[in-house]
Amino acid sequence: AQTVTQSQPEMSVQEAETVTLSCTYDTSESDYYLFWYKQPPSRQMILVIRQEAYKQQNATENRFSVNFQKAAKSFSLKISDSQLGDAAMYFCAYRSQSAGGTSYGKLTFGQGTILTVHP
Amino acid sequence: DAGVTQSPTHLIKTRGQHVTLRCSPISGHKSVSWYQQVLGQGPQFIFQYYEKEERGRGNFPDRFSARQFPNYSSELNVNALLLGDSALYLCASSLAGPTGELFFGEGSRLTVL
Repeated sequence: AQTVTQSQPEMSVQEAETVTLSCTYDTSESDYYLFWYKQPPSRQMILVIRQEAYKQQNATENRFSVNFQKAAKSFSLKISDSQLGDAAMYFCAYRSQSAGGTSYGKLTFGQGTILTVHP
Repeated sequence: DAGVTQSPTHLIKTRGQHVTLRCSPISGHKSVSWYQQVLGQGPQFIFQYYEKEERGRGNFPDRFSARQFPNYSSELNVNALLLGDSALYLCASSLAGPTGELFFGEGSRLTVL
């Protein structure tokens, strides 16, 4: 079974500064997807960025980028130019890409990191 | 376009009662997944349904059941409620296949007294 670990329960950053959230995972599979989701107090989970394991290039989405280290099973999220609206709980998640009956609707989530942004 | 909608948004039940939570997926999405999120933790996978069939089940007791209707909406049922069932229940819909992004609803907050 896959596991996802976020070792930082809380992080804080000053507005306009950069912060990195850590995530490690454990799997025996070679093909999979990794995600970072944001969950603001409104509760709705929003996809921030995703990475396909077969791609060596790190994914980027505007101010959000990842550092994907497949051998180390590490997947960190970097938020540049932090904004007050970035404050939320952030979850790292894993999804298998295996065929043959695997549930593609199944994500394995980490415990989450609460990000506070100070003005 | 409407996103994933869930009802009710909040509800309070007592131990031993039964609850039904409802989810309407994004139009065109045929896959619905359910998650339980206990306060302060990450969501835990409960079920996935695709084309009205169960395609995946997490490590939850048989008190939890679900179904998907011909219009692809879904219900999650929990029988014999326990205090530990208090949580935010999230529904997510997606297109088929491993590349389909999951879109989440705002959840149903269940409190069991």
